[in-house]
Amino acid sequence: EDQVTQSPEALRLQEGESSSLNCSYTVSGLRGLFWYRQDPGKGPEFLFTLYSAGEEKEKERLKATLTKKESFLHITAPKPEDSATYLCAVQAGGSARQLTFGSGTQLTVLP
Amino acid sequence: DAGVTQSPTHLIKTRGQHVTLRCSPISGHKSVSWYQQVLGQGPQFIFQYYEKEERGRGNFPDRFSARQFPNYSSELNVNALLLGDSALYLCASSLAQGSIYGYTFGSGTRLTVV
Repeated sequence: EDQVTQSPEALRLQEGESSSLNCSYTVSGLRGLFWYRQDPGKGPEFLFTLYSAGEEKEKERLKATLTKKESFLHITAPKPEDSATYLCAVQAGGSARQLTFGSGTQLTVLP
Repeated sequence: DAGVTQSPTHLIKTRGQHVTLRCSPISGHKSVSWYQQVLGQGPQFIFQYYEKEERGRGNFPDRFSARQFPNYSSELNVNALLLGDSALYLCASSLAQGSIYGYTFGSGTRLTVV
């Protein structure tokens, strides 16, 4: 059974204080690891897909990395508008290839 | 260009009732998936449809059913509602089944069962 564990559950940062979110996973045959951002009352918003160990992707203040067992979402010099819940999900092989999500990290950036 | 649209946005139902949720995917997307998100948890997979056929089902009871129409829109039906069915129901569309380019989610339907 595919499993995704995210840590920490919640993180409070001062504006400009860089940090990292962790996503540990076990999956049979990883097709892709996805990062989403979710604002309260909204659906998840796609950020990145990583396909193989060693891959990195960047978008503004966010950088995602992938190893064979975990992924990190690095946030550099965050701003209050980066406050949201960040979700990690894995997609394995199989007929449906659905996403298996972690419980998310709730990030609060204080001004 | 319209994104994934879901209706209604909010819904309050009584235990034992039936509910139908609707989803219109992004134009050109042929796959629709449904997810349930309970407060404080990540989304959990319910169904996937591609080209109007069910291609996957998550660990949900038979009270949950869905279908996809010729225009690729989809309905999720839940019978005999329980308090535990209260959640945000998300629809996600993608170009093809299990697209590695990701899924685009709608804003969801907030279902409250009282």
